[in-house]
Amino acid sequence: NAGVTQTPKFQVLKTGQSMTLQCAQDMNHEYMSWYRQDPGMGLRLIHYSVGAGITDQGEVPNGYNVSRSTTEDFPLRLLSAAPSQTSVYFCASTPSQETGSAFFGQGTRLTVV
Amino acid sequence: AQSVTQLGSHVSVSEGALVLLRCNYSSSVPPYLFWYVQYPNQGLQLLLKYTSAATLVKGINGFEAEFKKSETSFHLTKPSAHMSDAAEYFCAVRYGGATNKLIFGTGTLLAVQP
Repeated sequence: NAGVTQTPKFQVLKTGQSMTLQCAQDMNHEYMSWYRQDPGMGLRLIHYSVGAGITDQGEVPNGYNVSRSTTEDFPLRLLSAAPSQTSVYFCASTPSQETGSAFFGQGTRLTVV
Repeated sequence: AQSVTQLGSHVSVSEGALVLLRCNYSSSVPPYLFWYVQYPNQGLQLLLKYTSAATLVKGINGFEAEFKKSETSFHLTKPSAHMSDAAEYFCAVRYGGATNKLIFGTGTLLAVQP
């Protein structure tokens, strides 16, 4: 039972480079979301999706793009990496019920130099 | 604005002592509430959740939390701390509706002293 799979686990980028963080879930959940975790700030919502073809912005969307072409996949794209995007990124998947609990991937630790 | 506040970014207890981690939410409408735990270099794992079925909720690893509407609180407790409880704990709230967004507190790092 894979759950939520994130790749890569670690990544170092140079300022200005672009990359895509991958997230896949095998639980047929409708809701998926991306968070970034920074010391003392908890988890902040970047983008989320309520189903295939539907995405919306969270609290801190600037510098990131998402798409949701399938139920299973929800990639996060950094368009032009900046040092301020150095963080740990978590993807989460949630069943559609309001009481459903989110399942998290193991995270991607990104450093932008 | 929908938010959740965790009082105390760091809490230290002795092994065997009571653990109390505080969480308050802001809303006139009772939300759905969650506690997650994060061990070093790992993702988040659900400890327990409140979904209006019962105000006292029991979770994994001996943790429990009580929903108090009058205090807008959902504090996490464990009667006797174990060394393996050392981790970061996050309170989270969901208000339902079309977006069903999950909003996190800033976390509390629990240290357990021998």
